Amino acid sequence: GAVVSQHPSWVICKSGTSVKIECRSLDFQATTMFWYRQFPKQSLMLMATSNEGSKATYEQGVEKDKFLINHASLTLSTLTVTSAHPEDSSFYICSARGDTNTEAFFGQGTRLTVV
Amino acid sequence: AQSVSQHNHHVILSEAASLELGCNYSYGGTVNLFWYVQYPGQHLQLLLKYFSGDPLVKGIKGFEAEFIKSKFSFNLRKPSVQWSDTAEYFCAVPNQGGKLIFGQGTELSVKP
Repeated sequence: GAVVSQHPSWVICKSGTSVKIECRSLDFQATTMFWYRQFPKQSLMLMATSNEGSKATYEQGVEKDKFLINHASLTLSTLTVTSAHPEDSSFYICSARGDTNTEAFFGQGTRLTVV
Repeated sequence: AQSVSQHNHHVILSEAASLELGCNYSYGGTVNLFWYVQYPGQHLQLLLKYFSGDPLVKGIKGFEAEFIKSKFSFNLRKPSVQWSDTAEYFCAVPNQGGKLIFGQGTELSVKP
């Protein structure tokens, strides 16, 4: 299957700082990218959907000013956690999809720890 | 809105036992269905998918799933599990906006 690369795999940051996570589709053009958050022993919760060249659509309860998403090209989307706090510590996963009716491919996830 | 429900949170089996994990979805229209697996420390991988056609879908590693429209179900099965099947399994369905909605996940532990 297609490859989605997420970077970094893990990051530790101080409270109040911002962290950027990159999601790249390596061998296909990702029309749509999704950002998920996964708490331990829980399912993936969709945070936002981004389409190349347009503003991201955030799910209810997700602060768009805190979780900035940019999908500037068909192979790259970024999630920036601004002014991170310990409660933002989590596992963030991106997925990318080409056409609407194709499967989504997942990145390996980013473990964010805010201290 | 589309929702997905997985009945079993944690399943413990011995090697060679048969497996069936339940998945039910709510939307009754045309539906695509997915099962993903997350092995410990690894990213999500697609096990199998249903878009149309034969409701019995065969995936990787001996897994299969059956789409039963009348029951809104897409249960995952494997006749004989192995220790290496220990993982978390997620059922997923796109909602009308195309966003992939996941079930709660089922943790499978296979005892050697």
